[in-house]
Amino acid sequence: AAGVIQSPRHLIKEKRETATLKCYPIPRHDTVYWYQQGPGQDPQFLISFYEKMQSDKGSIPDRFSAQQFSDYHSELNMSSLELGDSALYFCASSSPSNYGYTFGSGTRLTVV
Amino acid sequence: AQKITQTQPGMFVQEKEAVTLDCTYDTSDQSYGLFWYKQPSSGEMIFLIYQGSYDEQNATEGRYSLNFQKARKSANLVISASQLGDSAMYFCAMRDDLNRDDKIIFGKGTRLHILP
Repeated sequence: AAGVIQSPRHLIKEKRETATLKCYPIPRHDTVYWYQQGPGQDPQFLISFYEKMQSDKGSIPDRFSAQQFSDYHSELNMSSLELGDSALYFCASSSPSNYGYTFGSGTRLTVV
Repeated sequence: AQKITQTQPGMFVQEKEAVTLDCTYDTSDQSYGLFWYKQPSSGEMIFLIYQGSYDEQNATEGRYSLNFQKARKSANLVISASQLGDSAMYFCAMRDDLNRDDKIIFGKGTRLHILP
């Protein structure tokens, strides 16, 4: 079965650089979510999109932005990277007809 | 506001024994869903089991069962006959089920170590 695809799996950036993370949801899933998980922490909700419109916003820094495209894939753009942005970034997708989320394998971002 | 509490930061269990991971929650929603996820050291988030607040029977998925006590607001995960591969971080999570596009919120997690 198709899963949620995230790319890249690993990313190393320097402070003040920018990063773009990509997420390809399960086909026919209409909602995409982004989560940030710091080392030893629980995942924190950043932002979600339903039918290409932002549907909810959590603790997402102003330096971050995201969007969902016409093919339903989503990108998380992160600018002026800080050391504290080093984390595992998850994308998940869902549809109203199922009760769970499916998470991607995550992108591990390291800021040096 | 919703809140998930997992009071066991870490647990050590002998292989083949049953394990209970505790989870309590707080919400004012009437319709909500409770989830358990497993996160091995590789980092992926693996869905284990779901319980809806109106489900009368406890959810089961293979070796996993969810002990749902609505009045006590608890949703403990029971793993029967633990295996070495069960060593991982386990997260309890919940969502407002009136809006199934709503986000999931997570507890702090319990790190489970299975001993040979």
